[in-house]
Amino acid sequence: EAEVAQSPRYKITEKSQAVAFWCDPISGHATLYWYRQILGQGPELLVQFQDESVVDDSQLPKDRFSAERLKGVDSTLKIQPAELGDSAMYLCASMVRGGRMNTEAFFGQGTRLTVV
Amino acid sequence: DQQVKQNSPSLSVQEGRISILNCDYTNSMFDYFLWYKKYPAEGPTFLISISSIKDKNEDGRFTVFLNKSAKHLSLHIVPSQPGDSAVYFCAASPSTGNQFYFGTGTSLTVIP
Repeated sequence: EAEVAQSPRYKITEKSQAVAFWCDPISGHATLYWYRQILGQGPELLVQFQDESVVDDSQLPKDRFSAERLKGVDSTLKIQPAELGDSAMYLCASMVRGGRMNTEAFFGQGTRLTVV
Repeated sequence: DQQVKQNSPSLSVQEGRISILNCDYTNSMFDYFLWYKKYPAEGPTFLISISSIKDKNEDGRFTVFLNKSAKHLSLHIVPSQPGDSAVYFCAASPSTGNQFYFGTGTSLTVIP
């Protein structure tokens, strides 16, 4: 069964260090999302791609976060420097082109980041 | 500003009984709603959805009800099973885009 792949599953990093997460969406899915879920809260959108283009990054803390999807397939989310408040689960999701009504975003298993 | 709200952080239900999870939204532009289920250390998995042209959608033990005038939707699980124990997120999508806005989640515990 097709699935969204994310790595690593878990990451522990010291504050002020750089960290990166990788996501490989379901094949053929043009829309890719990065969400952050802080414990006890719902997922919050960080960035949305359509193919290789950023559609929405209004909630991305651009002073320390960056995201890219150079070839319109897999994507990388980077944090530099990491802060204690960045500890969360980072979720990647993908959706078919033009999807919304009667379709859903498929999520990966997430990367649990702990900043110490 | 939380546009999708789940005011009950937790719910406990006896096995075999009905579980009712509630969700409220504020943005009248939302026209598509979904429920996701999440186990610890895993990503959310899609459960059921409803578009604004309907007021009910049913899939097996799961039924979602939408009350547009009240900007309220609910998920009914009948009968509840211990395997249903998870965090349930309500999500909404606006007619103007394909983003999903999530609620804060309700942790459901089904007691055997």
